Amino acid sequence: RKEVEQDPGPFNVPEGATVAFNCTYSNSASQSFFWYRQDCRKEPKLLMSVYSSGNEDGRFTAQLNRASQYISLLIRDSKLSDSATYLCVVNKGYGGATNKLIFGTGTLLAVQP
Amino acid sequence: GAVVSQHPSRVICKSGTSVKIECRSLDFQATTMFWYRQFPKQSLMLMATSNEGSKATYEQGVEKDKFLINHASLTLSTLTVTSAHPEDSSFYICSARDVAGQASRGYTFGSGTRLTVV
Repeated sequence: RKEVEQDPGPFNVPEGATVAFNCTYSNSASQSFFWYRQDCRKEPKLLMSVYSSGNEDGRFTAQLNRASQYISLLIRDSKLSDSATYLCVVNKGYGGATNKLIFGTGTLLAVQP
Repeated sequence: GAVVSQHPSRVICKSGTSVKIECRSLDFQATTMFWYRQFPKQSLMLMATSNEGSKATYEQGVEKDKFLINHASLTLSTLTVTSAHPEDSSFYICSARDVAGQASRGYTFGSGTRLTVV
């Protein structure tokens, strides 16, 4: 089983749609969680951190359920510029040897005009 | 914000030669940097953790003698792919986190190096 699992998609949605991505992780000791965005042939860029209380940044809302080891990302009012691969990322530890990011395979979003 | 500069962005080399990739933290100190590899349509896979002033920690299955890592200063880590072969062709990306900053800022990535071995 992969440490971080995502539906690879693609998700093809019209402009203005709301789309949700899900992610599960296997290591219950994981400490911090992120969503990154990666455009084609580019490096990943941090979209937002994910907290147990849930957090929102404009059109983006992230949720974390530690009991279910489940992370979600909701995008409202999709824009063409949202088209990218969204990576679910988990940090396994605070420091030392366990302090490293584990990436999901990513979910491809294609927003259609 | 934290910026990581990676160079070169693209390199084409002949089979059997070595290629060095540099990763610099421009406005912060990074005692630890991470090296990833990404094959087409796959996710980033951590290769090794680069530690300033000490040996790198390699992930299982990554040959340390093939992928030489040097982290000689708080702002520079290098990855050398030795005796490169076509199967080493990939997108190599480094990352680091400003330890003086907040953990919620995540990790900053270099722009990546696309290596093609012919």
